[in-house]
Amino acid sequence: DVKVTQSSRYLVKRTGEKVFLECVQDMDHENMFWYRQDPGLGLRLIYFSYDVKMKEKGDIPEGYSVSREKKERFSLILESASTNQTSMYLCASSPPGRDTQYFGPGTRLTVL
Amino acid sequence: QKEVEQNSGPLSVPEGAIASLNCTYSDRGSQSFFWYRQYSGKSPELIMFIYSNGDKEDGRFTAQLNKASQYVSLLIRDSQPSDSATYLCAAEPGAGGTSYGKLTFGQGTILTVHP
Repeated sequence: DVKVTQSSRYLVKRTGEKVFLECVQDMDHENMFWYRQDPGLGLRLIYFSYDVKMKEKGDIPEGYSVSREKKERFSLILESASTNQTSMYLCASSPPGRDTQYFGPGTRLTVL
Repeated sequence: QKEVEQNSGPLSVPEGAIASLNCTYSDRGSQSFFWYRQYSGKSPELIMFIYSNGDKEDGRFTAQLNKASQYVSLLIRDSQPSDSATYLCAAEPGAGGTSYGKLTFGQGTILTVHP
Protein backbone atom coordinates (compact mmCIF):
# COMPACT_ATOMS: atom_id res chain seq x y z
CA ASP A 1 0.00 0.00 0.00
CA VAL A 2 1.22 3.47 -0.91
CA LYS A 3 2.44 5.43 2.07
CA VAL A 4 3.67 9.01 2.35
CA THR A 5 4.02 10.41 5.84
CA GLN A 6 4.73 13.89 7.10
CA SER A 7 6.28 14.63 10.46
CA SER A 8 3.54 16.86 11.84
CA ARG A 9 -0.12 17.52 11.06
CA TYR A 10 -0.13 20.87 12.82
CA LEU A 11 2.78 23.15 13.63
CA VAL A 12 2.95 26.60 15.22
CA LYS A 13 6.17 28.60 14.96
CA ARG A 14 7.36 32.12 15.63
CA THR A 15 8.56 34.60 13.05
CA GLY A 16 12.27 34.16 12.40
CA GLU A 17 12.45 30.53 13.54
CA LYS A 18 14.04 27.89 11.36
CA VAL A 19 11.43 25.29 10.51
CA PHE A 20 11.93 21.74 9.26
CA LEU A 21 9.13 19.79 7.59
CA GLU A 22 9.88 16.13 7.01
CA CYS A 23 8.39 13.79 4.45
CA VAL A 24 9.01 10.06 4.16
CA GLN A 25 7.79 7.64 1.51
CA ASP A 26 8.10 3.88 1.59
CA MET A 27 7.52 3.19 -2.10
CA ASP A 28 11.09 3.58 -3.34
CA HIS A 29 10.00 6.49 -5.54
CA GLU A 30 12.63 8.61 -7.26
CA ASN A 31 10.59 11.80 -7.46
CA MET A 32 9.44 13.81 -4.48
CA PHE A 33 7.68 17.17 -4.29
CA TRP A 34 6.81 19.91 -1.84
CA TYR A 35 3.72 22.08 -2.41
CA ARG A 36 1.91 24.71 -0.48
CA GLN A 37 -1.82 25.11 -0.76
CA ASP A 38 -3.64 28.33 -0.05
CA PRO A 39 -7.30 29.24 -0.57
CA GLY A 40 -7.87 30.65 -4.03
CA LEU A 41 -4.31 29.90 -5.15
CA GLY A 42 -4.44 26.14 -5.48
CA LEU A 43 -1.41 23.88 -5.21
CA ARG A 44 1.88 25.61 -5.88
CA LEU A 45 5.13 23.73 -6.33
CA ILE A 46 7.96 24.87 -4.06
CA TYR A 47 10.72 22.37 -4.83
CA PHE A 48 11.07 18.89 -6.21
CA SER A 49 13.74 16.23 -6.23
CA TYR A 50 14.32 13.51 -8.80
CA ASP A 51 17.10 11.64 -7.01
CA VAL A 52 19.14 11.66 -3.84
CA LYS A 53 20.91 15.01 -3.42
CA MET A 54 19.25 16.31 -6.62
CA LYS A 55 16.77 19.16 -6.39
CA GLU A 56 15.07 21.64 -8.65
CA LYS A 57 13.21 24.85 -7.90
CA GLY A 58 9.52 24.91 -8.47
CA ASP A 59 7.32 27.92 -9.00
CA ILE A 60 7.73 29.56 -5.58
CA PRO A 61 11.10 28.60 -4.04
CA GLU A 62 11.85 31.93 -2.37
CA GLY A 63 12.26 31.60 1.38
CA TYR A 64 12.57 27.81 1.24
CA SER A 65 15.29 25.23 0.82
CA VAL A 66 15.21 21.43 0.66
CA SER A 67 17.35 18.47 1.52
CA ARG A 68 17.34 14.92 0.21
CA GLU A 69 20.07 12.85 1.76
CA LYS A 70 18.21 9.54 1.46
CA LYS A 71 15.86 8.35 -1.23
CA GLU A 72 12.90 7.96 1.09
CA ARG A 73 13.17 11.32 2.85
CA PHE A 74 12.65 14.83 1.52
CA SER A 75 12.84 17.78 3.89
CA LEU A 76 11.53 21.29 3.43
CA ILE A 77 13.32 24.02 5.35
CA LEU A 78 12.06 27.49 6.10
CA GLU A 79 15.27 29.33 6.90
CA SER A 80 13.55 32.19 8.73
CA ALA A 81 9.83 31.71 9.00
CA SER A 82 7.57 34.60 8.14
CA THR A 83 3.85 35.10 8.59
CA ASN A 84 3.23 34.83 4.84
CA GLN A 85 4.48 31.25 5.01
CA THR A 86 1.44 30.26 7.05
CA SER A 87 -0.10 27.59 4.85
CA MET A 88 -0.89 23.95 4.29
CA TYR A 89 2.23 22.12 3.12
CA LEU A 90 1.84 18.94 1.12
CA CYS A 91 4.49 16.42 0.22
CA ALA A 92 4.09 14.00 -2.68
CA SER A 93 6.09 11.30 -4.40
CA SER A 94 5.94 9.54 -7.73
CA PRO A 95 7.84 6.82 -9.55
CA PRO A 96 9.67 7.69 -12.77
CA GLY A 97 7.64 7.78 -15.94
CA ARG A 98 4.08 8.81 -16.60
CA ASP A 99 2.39 8.14 -13.32
CA THR A 100 0.53 9.75 -10.53
CA GLN A 101 1.70 11.60 -7.46
CA TYR A 102 0.84 10.23 -4.05
CA PHE A 103 0.30 12.78 -1.34
CA GLY A 104 1.05 12.80 2.35
CA PRO A 105 -1.56 13.99 4.86
CA GLY A 106 -0.22 17.56 4.92
CA THR A 107 1.19 19.86 7.58
CA ARG A 108 -0.76 22.94 8.53
CA LEU A 109 1.87 25.48 9.54
CA THR A 110 1.02 28.66 11.38
CA VAL A 111 3.70 31.33 11.78
CA LEU A 112 2.94 33.88 14.47
CA GLN B 1 3.58 29.87 -17.98
CA LYS B 2 1.73 26.67 -18.71
CA GLU B 3 -1.67 26.73 -17.10
CA VAL B 4 -4.51 24.47 -16.16
CA GLU B 5 -7.86 26.17 -15.78
CA GLN B 6 -10.94 24.70 -14.14
CA ASN B 7 -14.50 25.92 -14.38
CA SER B 8 -15.19 28.20 -11.49
CA GLY B 9 -17.37 26.81 -8.78
CA PRO B 10 -18.81 26.08 -6.54
CA LEU B 11 -20.91 23.50 -8.33
CA SER B 12 -24.03 22.27 -6.63
CA VAL B 13 -26.01 19.26 -7.85
CA PRO B 14 -28.82 17.20 -6.34
CA GLU B 15 -28.20 13.67 -5.19
CA GLY B 16 -28.49 11.23 -8.08
CA ALA B 17 -27.66 13.80 -10.75
CA ILE B 18 -24.63 13.90 -13.04
CA ALA B 19 -21.88 16.29 -11.96
CA SER B 20 -19.72 17.64 -14.77
CA LEU B 21 -16.31 19.10 -13.98
CA ASN B 22 -14.30 20.75 -16.72
CA CYS B 23 -10.67 21.63 -17.25
CA THR B 24 -8.63 23.22 -20.04
CA TYR B 25 -4.87 23.26 -20.38
CA SER B 26 -2.52 25.50 -22.31
CA ASP B 27 0.46 23.17 -22.86
CA ARG B 28 -0.31 21.44 -26.16
CA GLY B 29 2.47 18.95 -25.46
CA SER B 30 0.84 17.59 -22.30
CA GLN B 31 0.20 13.88 -22.55
CA SER B 32 -1.08 12.77 -19.17
CA PHE B 33 -3.98 14.11 -17.17
CA PHE B 34 -5.17 13.41 -13.67
CA TRP B 35 -8.20 14.06 -11.52
CA TYR B 36 -7.77 14.28 -7.77
CA ARG B 37 -10.43 14.56 -5.09
CA GLN B 38 -9.69 16.52 -1.93
CA TYR B 39 -11.97 16.47 1.07
CA SER B 40 -11.90 19.45 3.36
CA GLY B 41 -8.80 19.34 5.57
CA LYS B 42 -7.41 16.30 3.77
CA SER B 43 -4.78 15.77 1.10
CA PRO B 44 -5.57 15.09 -2.58
CA GLU B 45 -6.24 11.52 -3.62
CA LEU B 46 -6.19 10.23 -7.16
CA ILE B 47 -9.51 9.40 -8.78
CA MET B 48 -8.55 8.82 -12.38
CA PHE B 49 -5.87 9.38 -14.96
CA ILE B 50 -6.24 9.51 -18.72
CA TYR B 51 -3.66 9.51 -21.50
CA SER B 52 -5.64 8.90 -24.69
CA ASN B 53 -8.34 10.84 -26.46
CA GLY B 54 -11.83 9.66 -25.66
CA ASP B 55 -13.55 8.38 -22.58
CA LYS B 56 -12.30 6.31 -19.68
CA GLU B 57 -14.78 4.88 -17.24
CA ASP B 58 -14.26 3.67 -13.69
CA GLY B 59 -17.43 2.93 -11.79
CA ARG B 60 -19.46 6.11 -11.48
CA PHE B 61 -16.61 8.22 -12.81
CA THR B 62 -15.85 8.97 -16.46
CA ALA B 63 -12.87 11.01 -17.59
CA GLN B 64 -12.96 12.54 -21.06
CA LEU B 65 -10.00 13.88 -22.99
CA ASN B 66 -9.96 15.92 -26.18
CA LYS B 67 -6.39 16.86 -27.05
CA ALA B 68 -7.38 18.88 -30.11
CA SER B 69 -9.49 21.16 -27.93
CA GLN B 70 -7.09 20.84 -24.96
CA TYR B 71 -9.99 19.87 -22.78
CA VAL B 72 -10.40 17.35 -19.98
CA SER B 73 -13.55 16.62 -18.06
CA LEU B 74 -14.76 14.42 -15.24
CA LEU B 75 -18.33 13.17 -15.06
CA ILE B 76 -19.72 11.75 -11.84
CA ARG B 77 -22.90 9.77 -12.36
CA ASP B 78 -25.44 9.16 -9.61
CA SER B 79 -23.78 11.81 -7.45
CA GLN B 80 -23.78 11.15 -3.72
CA PRO B 81 -23.35 13.54 -0.78
CA SER B 82 -20.05 11.73 -0.11
CA ASP B 83 -18.80 13.08 -3.47
CA SER B 84 -18.87 16.59 -2.02
CA ALA B 85 -15.26 17.73 -2.20
CA THR B 86 -12.83 19.86 -4.19
CA TYR B 87 -11.79 18.28 -7.48
CA LEU B 88 -8.37 19.10 -8.87
CA CYS B 89 -7.38 18.67 -12.48
CA ALA B 90 -3.67 18.19 -13.25
CA ALA B 91 -1.57 17.88 -16.38
CA GLU B 92 1.91 16.53 -16.82
CA PRO B 93 4.10 18.95 -18.82
CA GLY B 94 4.67 18.11 -22.44
CA ALA B 95 7.74 16.98 -24.31
CA GLY B 96 10.99 18.93 -24.32
CA GLY B 97 12.90 17.30 -21.54
CA THR B 98 12.19 15.07 -18.60
CA SER B 99 9.33 16.29 -16.47
CA TYR B 100 10.36 14.20 -13.43
CA GLY B 101 6.70 13.59 -12.76
CA LYS B 102 5.91 17.25 -12.27
CA LEU B 103 2.26 18.16 -12.53
CA THR B 104 0.54 21.47 -13.12
CA PHE B 105 -2.63 21.71 -11.05
CA GLY B 106 -5.76 23.70 -11.64
CA GLN B 107 -7.21 25.68 -8.78
CA GLY B 108 -9.93 23.16 -8.16
CA THR B 109 -13.70 23.12 -8.34
CA ILE B 110 -15.76 22.73 -5.20
CA LEU B 111 -18.60 20.26 -5.68
CA THR B 112 -21.54 20.04 -3.31
CA VAL B 113 -24.06 17.22 -3.69
CA HIS B 114 -27.20 18.00 -1.71
CA PRO B 115 -29.75 15.37 -0.64
